[in-house]
Amino acid sequence: DAGVIQSPRHEVTEMGQEVTLRCKPISGHNSLFWYRQTMMRGLELLIYFNNNVPIDDSGMPEDRFSAKMPNASFSTLKIQPSEPRDSAVYFCASSLHSGRGSDTEAFFGQGTRLTVV
Amino acid sequence: GQQVMQIPQYQHVQEGEDFTTYCNSSTTLSNIQWYKQRPGGHPVFLIQLVKSGEVKKQKRLTFQFGEAKKNSSLHITATQTTDVGTYFCLSPSLGRGQLTFGSGTQLTVLP
Repeated sequence: DAGVIQSPRHEVTEMGQEVTLRCKPISGHNSLFWYRQTMMRGLELLIYFNNNVPIDDSGMPEDRFSAKMPNASFSTLKIQPSEPRDSAVYFCASSLHSGRGSDTEAFFGQGTRLTVV
Repeated sequence: GQQVMQIPQYQHVQEGEDFTTYCNSSTTLSNIQWYKQRPGGHPVFLIQLVKSGEVKKQKRLTFQFGEAKKNSSLHITATQTTDVGTYFCLSPSLGRGQLTFGSGTQLTVLP
């Protein structure tokens, strides 16, 4: 398995434009996480899916952010419209959650470095 | 989501010195995971502890889970410059499976 695959690796966009980040989790994993990392705020959990269903989206900053998981092998994080303060590294991670206190580790993608100018 | 509290937030050591970071929870944890993130990299899983009093070693790294399953520690013996990075602990059992990272401990190793 190639691991968690994120695209693009780098994205530079102008303020107001729509940005779509993509993630392909590891095959067989049932949990998917989107994170945002900045120097100021650290590694923030934005949204967590289990079996393609959003379980916790309390970390999504505002309505400009939306995430979907149409199937077990693909997820997107969309920002519309983008703002300079959205500049960060966005990570996607996947794991196998058993719900019985013994979870497998989360595997992270390489991240997407987003710059909004 | 709930987090496990981790200290210290920053640690500078001379190469060859030992290093320890501690995680504490007010509630009993089913399990605890440790991750390392190198500068410019992504978090990488190190280990998971599940049993009360468990001790696991990975070369110079020693991980412990407290008897009451409310605290954990990571100890690095004789640090090397390759140990530089941020070490995170977290517990999936605190929520509904979400992995909520705290601030971690940022380790700097001075040559």
